[in-house]
Amino acid sequence: DVKVTQSSRYLVKRTGEKVFLECVQDMDHENMFWYRQDPGLGLRLIYFSYDVKMKEKGDIPEGYSVSREKKERFSLILESASTNQTSMYLCASSWTVNTEAFFGQGTRLTVV
Amino acid sequence: GEDVEQSLFLSVREGDSSVINCTYTDSSSTYLYWYKQEPGAGLQLLTYIFSNMDMKQDQRLTVLLNKKDKHLSLRIADTQTGDSAIYFCAEIPGNTGKLIFGQGTTLQVKP
Repeated sequence: DVKVTQSSRYLVKRTGEKVFLECVQDMDHENMFWYRQDPGLGLRLIYFSYDVKMKEKGDIPEGYSVSREKKERFSLILESASTNQTSMYLCASSWTVNTEAFFGQGTRLTVV
Repeated sequence: GEDVEQSLFLSVREGDSSVINCTYTDSSSTYLYWYKQEPGAGLQLLTYIFSNMDMKQDQRLTVLLNKKDKHLSLRIADTQTGDSAIYFCAEIPGNTGKLIFGQGTTLQVKP
């Protein structure tokens, strides 16, 4: 079974902190994605990556950056956390374009 | 531009059919997808349809695609309480690799 693992289910951070959300997949997938999920807004794409060291902005990249040093790991970085970044963050991976995306369980981040 | 729209909520009685609708804007998507999210879980692919098809049936699920109107629907026959979840439609516009989701439709199934 494909497994996408997010490092934390719940996180509480203070405003201004640098926050790292980690995601690891075990199926050698090319593509990896970071979304945030908010009620009534669905999933909004923050960043995605189609290869090691490659990244593309999604629809809401402001306030975020990403890192993909190894194929299996895709990190989302909040440079200076703010309260409007309180959300559920979902990581996903897929073999390539047009193939099924597999999701992690999500990280619920609260910024206080 | 890329935009996927869904209504937010649908309530049905157990045993009835459910129809969840979606509109999208990018006609170049090769596939259109339906994902399901159960409470406290990540999303799982439920079904998908290739863009040159009008209909796809998979057990209790029927997907209808109207390319002219850019309208996608998911019909669940004999809806069960276990079908209660959030359903998302999704597309990859222009094969960009950007997997774009709608707002999600919360399906409530009443006994």
